[in-house]
Amino acid sequence: SYELTQSPSVSVSPGQTASITCSGDKLGAKYVCWYQEKPGQSPLLVIYQDTKRPSEIPERFSGSNSGNTATLTISGTQAVDEAVYYCQAWDASTAVFGGGTKLTVL
Amino acid sequence: QVLLQQWGAGLLKASEALSLTCAVYGGSFSDYHWSWVRQPPGKGLEWLGEINHSGGTNYSPSLKSRVTIAIDTSKNQFSLGVTSVTAADTAVYYCARAVKGTVTTTTARSYSYYYMDVWGKGTMVAVSS
Repeated sequence: SYELTQSPSVSVSPGQTASITCSGDKLGAKYVCWYQEKPGQSPLLVIYQDTKRPSEIPERFSGSNSGNTATLTISGTQAVDEAVYYCQAWDASTAVFGGGTKLTVL
Repeated sequence: QVLLQQWGAGLLKASEALSLTCAVYGGSFSDYHWSWVRQPPGKGLEWLGEINHSGGTNYSPSLKSRVTIAIDTSKNQFSLGVTSVTAADTAVYYCARAVKGTVTTTTARSYSYYYMDVWGKGTMVAVSS
């Protein structure tokens, strides 16, 4: 079965750029989306089809995908962005999630 | 605005069957796929499966033998069933609306996309031994 790998944690200072990566075999040949999950809340879609952003998501969220790695980038990170972020792709008629990355805004 | 409202039994005993239902309010019911995702305490998200308005399903290979997803288009509802639950099935269960499609490039290569853009609030299901 297909696997997506994420680093368990990333730390960033307020105002700086956070990069969260997701790796998988030939991931660049698949579409990737990203979800934000805060404690006690349902997951929130922040990026879909690699680079697209839902209308309610701030412009500081962006995505890219090439080779074996997809990246979620948060520019000018704010304290409110502290959350767990999951990547997800579609493979063999199955949705696959990465293990999640805890973003800490110090 | 689309709202997913879910309900079902929150406490089960081992070997019993789990049953959850999700009602969809607002938006088109037939233009989307409808999925279930779960999250064990302190762990990540796990996709369980999906169904379209015609009743076509896809299931996670690891749970396929125990999971059934059904749809009732007359009520704009879909449901999840999991048989023979154990403590490992203890989790928050989410229903979600899924957008699924295919993009074909100018070089005739096709790429599938699937993302979940509206989620229910989740139902905590605990299984006791």
